[in-house]
Amino acid sequence: DAGITQSPRYKITETGRQVTLMCHQTWSHSYMFWYRQDLGHGLRLIYYSAAADITDKGEVPDGYVVSRSKTENFPLTLESATRSQTSVYFCASSGRTSDNEQFFGPGTRLTVL
Amino acid sequence: GESVGLHLPTLSVQEGDNSIINCAYSNSASDYFIWYKQESGKGPQFIIDIRSNMDKRQGQRVTVLLNKTVKHLSLQIAATQPGDSAVYFCAEKAYNNNDMRFGAGTRLTVKP
Repeated sequence: DAGITQSPRYKITETGRQVTLMCHQTWSHSYMFWYRQDLGHGLRLIYYSAAADITDKGEVPDGYVVSRSKTENFPLTLESATRSQTSVYFCASSGRTSDNEQFFGPGTRLTVL
Repeated sequence: GESVGLHLPTLSVQEGDNSIINCAYSNSASDYFIWYKQESGKGPQFIIDIRSNMDKRQGQRVTVLLNKTVKHLSLQIAATQPGDSAVYFCAEKAYNNNDMRFGAGTRLTVKP
């Protein structure tokens, strides 16, 4: 039972480069989420998706792009990475909007030089 | 803006003692308040939630208390164990809204 996986686990890139973080879940959950975690800010929602081809902005969407062509995958793209996007990124999933329990992946630590 | 926050950034307790982690919130419109646990190097893990019309809810070794009068939320862990060492986040959410707002977190350290 793989659950929810993220790749890569660690990534170093340079300012201005495009980076894509991958997220895959095996539960067929409808909802998927991307968060970033920075010291002093807890987790902040970047984007979420209610189903394939349905995405919506969260609290901090600027500089990020998402897509969801298949239910199980929810990639997050930084089209032109900036140093302020250095963070730990978590993907999560849940079955329903009303679910308070979201299942989180192990995270991707991204460093932008 | 309205936010979810925490009283203390760190908490150290002796193994076997009870732990109390506090959280202040300011959004009275939230329907649920939730606690997550995050162990080092892992993603957050759901612990327990409480609906806004309740003042207490118990789980396995954990109790969440909600005081709407002072907008305060707490997580009590009974007989704290080394495996409880982690960062604990409170979060708030409206019933039909996917935007879950997290506080900054409290690091709990359990001393043997």
